[in-house]
Amino acid sequence: DGGITQSPKYLFRKEGQNVTLSCEQNLNHDAMYWYRQDPGQGLRLIYYSQIVNDFQKGDIAEGYSVSREKKESFPLTVTSAQKNPTAFYLCASSSSHGGTGELFFGEGSRLTVL
Amino acid sequence: AQSVSQHNHHVILSEAASLELGCNYSYGGTVNLFWYVQYPGQHLQLLLKYFSGDPLVKGIKGFEAEFIKSKFSFNLRKPSVQWSDTAEYFCAVYNDKLIFGTGTRLQVFP
Repeated sequence: DGGITQSPKYLFRKEGQNVTLSCEQNLNHDAMYWYRQDPGQGLRLIYYSQIVNDFQKGDIAEGYSVSREKKESFPLTVTSAQKNPTAFYLCASSSSHGGTGELFFGEGSRLTVL
Repeated sequence: AQSVSQHNHHVILSEAASLELGCNYSYGGTVNLFWYVQYPGQHLQLLLKYFSGDPLVKGIKGFEAEFIKSKFSFNLRKPSVQWSDTAEYFCAVYNDKLIFGTGTRLQVFP
C-alpha cells in the first residue's frame, strides 16, 4: 500500500537531547513537509522540501533541522535549541513539484520532553 | 504573510442540525483553498478543495464549501450532521506553501 510512514509513533526524550523523527513515503511524491500540531494553534509549518537536496524554512523552523538526501525520505531533527518541543509532529507529501496544496499526511509522531 | 482564520474553535451540535464553519484568509493573489478533516485517532485527510471554476465545491460525506472572493472566505457547510462527523476541521490556503487555520473541533451528539 502506498502511503507515508512516520516513526516512532510515540517518543520521550530528556531535555537537552536531540531526537530525529523519521518520515518515509512510497508515493513517488516530489514535495515533503513537516508540520507541528498544538492544541488551539492548528498546524504550523516547520520545513518543506520541493525537490531532493533542497529545502526551505517554514514559519517555525528555529530549533529544528531537516535533510532531503533521497526522494522518499525527509527526517526531522528536533534539537536541544527548540524551547518547547513537546508536540504532535505531522509529515506530509504532495505529488507535483511546485505543488497544488493537496497533501497526504502520515499518522504523526508524538514527542514528549520530560 | 498570508494567514487563515477560523472563528469557531469548538462547535457542539445535535444530529441532523445544520453546520457552517467559517474560514477567512488574508492574501490578495490567486490561492488554492482546502478543508482537511482529522477524525479521532486518524490521520489528517482532504475533505474538499477549490482551485478554480464553480465557487461552490462538493466534497466527501455531504460536505460543501463556497468560495466568496470578495469576502476572502471559504466556509464549510453540511445541511444535516451525523455523529460520525465528530472531528477537527482545518481550513487551509495554498500559494507556495500550505498554511492552516487553527482548527474547529466539532462534536455531534446523537
